[in-house]
Amino acid sequence: QVQLQESGPGLVKPSEILSLTCIVSGGSISNYYWSWIRQSPGKGLEWIGYIYYSGSTNYNPSLKSRVTMSIDTSKNQFSLRVSSVTAADTAVYYCAGIPLSGNGWFDPWGQGTVVTVSS
Amino acid sequence: DIVMTQSPESLAVSLGERATINCKSSQSVLYSSNNKNYLAWYQLKPGQPPKLLIFWASTRESGVPDRFSGSGSGTDFTLTISSLQAEDVAVYYCQQYYSSPYNFGQGTKLEIK
Repeated sequence: QVQLQESGPGLVKPSEILSLTCIVSGGSISNYYWSWIRQSPGKGLEWIGYIYYSGSTNYNPSLKSRVTMSIDTSKNQFSLRVSSVTAADTAVYYCAGIPLSGNGWFDPWGQGTVVTVSS
Repeated sequence: DIVMTQSPESLAVSLGERATINCKSSQSVLYSSNNKNYLAWYQLKPGQPPKLLIFWASTRESGVPDRFSGSGSGTDFTLTISSLQAEDVAVYYCQQYYSSPYNFGQGTKLEIK
């Protein structure tokens, strides 16, 4: 059973870079498209983008100019970087997988990590 | 982009009663070549990650109780909980995966009356 665990700083200063990592265990990193999804306080879920083990990416246009995803297959992990953050980037950030056997639903999910943007 | 709109925003239902949540997409998510609706439903409880309930609009994920069912096609979809249990209190989201960006609805908060 594939399990995901996010890690990264819980506090980021405005204008700086938010950086998170998700470690994949219990399965092959090549069997999924790996996504990041966030939930801002009082708001719904927002898909940020995905990366495949080959390194190909697909980002939400709403964040594309500030987002970079990367993957390290040797460490079974993938990462998210969001630049020039503002308070609007304060959210619970989830990593999740889109199974290759599916077509775009998200399963599994990490537990989520809270990121606060504040000086 | 496909915009997903859920209704109602919140819902209070008595234990044992039926709960119905609606989801409407701004364009059809039915792929004609395979006649499948690219629509999923999730349950989100405080302090827990979202849980996949339904995919292909009506296929229950393994382990999901059969009181949860999904229906609809094209642009209009429904998640039904046939007999509400206390553990079903949560926020429910629909999500389209017909095209990128993979947008979610705004969520429906389900409570006990």
